[in-house]
Amino acid sequence: DTEVTQTPKHLVMGMTNKKSLKCEQHMGHRAMYWYKQKAKKPPELMFVYSYEKLSINESVPSRFSPECPNSSLLNLHLHALQPEDSALYLCASSQFNGNYEQYFGPGTRLTVT
Amino acid sequence: EDKVVQSPLSLVVHEGDTVTLNCSYEVTNFRSLLWYKQEKKAPTFLFMLTSSGIEKKSGRLSSILDKKELFSILNITATQTGDSAVYLCAVEKGDMRFGAGTRLTVKP
Repeated sequence: DTEVTQTPKHLVMGMTNKKSLKCEQHMGHRAMYWYKQKAKKPPELMFVYSYEKLSINESVPSRFSPECPNSSLLNLHLHALQPEDSALYLCASSQFNGNYEQYFGPGTRLTVT
Repeated sequence: EDKVVQSPLSLVVHEGDTVTLNCSYEVTNFRSLLWYKQEKKAPTFLFMLTSSGIEKKSGRLSSILDKKELFSILNITATQTGDSAVYLCAVEKGDMRFGAGTRLTVKP
């Protein structure tokens, strides 16, 4: 299984809503990542988890809250988002954090109204 | 400030042409350079390069890294319409920094 899955595929939420994005991999990878990608722009790293511990937080606002319940799962909890947070949210995993290729999930397209 | 710069930003060719995409970088703590292809959704991994001068090949695609001059190229020979995509270069330095990408369009 060389797949990273993400749910939901699409999400529309209001600025007062609370929602969560989910990412799962069963490749035994010990590093997982959240990226944000705006239209016609490259992915921007948000968070890195290594061995289920947050190792990098790229100065992301607190309305985004990551969680890694176990080595296969990564969540991104969303609360009080702004319309400018609308983007494609990509999850990725790699064998370890560092010099290893990352495998990306299909992404969740988020629209904040 | 770390930089990953790709050129050209966009390119239109016809099937059968050969293309060369460029990626230059200025980063601290360089570990590796990666190439990804992004069509509609997720980037898909193409190559990871860590050593200078060693060409990596996969079918019609090949890539090489020059750590002295701080750049990499991605070559695609005998292009096909299915090669149309955004090609992303990324540098792994403890975290991953992507370039802006090259949008390749291959016309029949």
